Amino acid sequence: KAGVTQTPRYLIKTRGQQVTLSCSPISGHRSVSWYQQTPGQGLQFLFEYFSETQRNKGNFPGRFSGRQFSNSRSEMNVSTLELGDSALYLCASSRSSGTYNEQFFGPGTRLTVL
Amino acid sequence: DQQVKQNSPSLSVQEGRISILNCDYTNSMFDYFLWYKKYPAEGPTFLISISSIKDKNEDGRFTVFLNKSAKHLSLHIVPSQPGDSAVYFCAASTTNAGGTSYGKLTFGQGTILTVHP
Repeated sequence: KAGVTQTPRYLIKTRGQQVTLSCSPISGHRSVSWYQQTPGQGLQFLFEYFSETQRNKGNFPGRFSGRQFSNSRSEMNVSTLELGDSALYLCASSRSSGTYNEQFFGPGTRLTVL
Repeated sequence: DQQVKQNSPSLSVQEGRISILNCDYTNSMFDYFLWYKKYPAEGPTFLISISSIKDKNEDGRFTVFLNKSAKHLSLHIVPSQPGDSAVYFCAASTTNAGGTSYGKLTFGQGTILTVHP
């Protein structure tokens, strides 16, 4: 079974630009969560999508947005990039069935903002 | 407000010995806990989990213990191997009355484990 895939793996942008990252979950997984990892703040939850609906949102500004498609693939978008947005962006998928569901992570997209 | 804390930034052990990684949490609503292993430039790899209705879960060389009254969990790796060297994160979530966590994991800051041959 293929794991979670993320594209692109690396991205370099300049301040003020916008960026779109893509995530394909494990087959059969309906929930996709996004996280930001930085040296200072660690791994922080951005948002979660299930059946094309955002079910949960972390404490990030509105410049960070996402969506999910009918095949459960998800994208996240960051507009008006700032230097502080440089980070490893991780997505994770889970079945989201039953009470306890492990999340399985992709390799991440390393975003560098210059 | 750091709700999940891993107070040891690093741990060094000898191959074959036990590695014990610790994690404390403050939010009493957390009821599901997970451990992940992470190498640089890769995503976290799921290791083992435990729900709050249990106090121990075992999977091969990995055992997780949960002490709800102390709001403390630990991961034991026995025996430790050089390939276990990585950053270990504990994570916690809250399931609602319907039994879903809405995809949010709260992570600790991680502990760097080094296993020496």
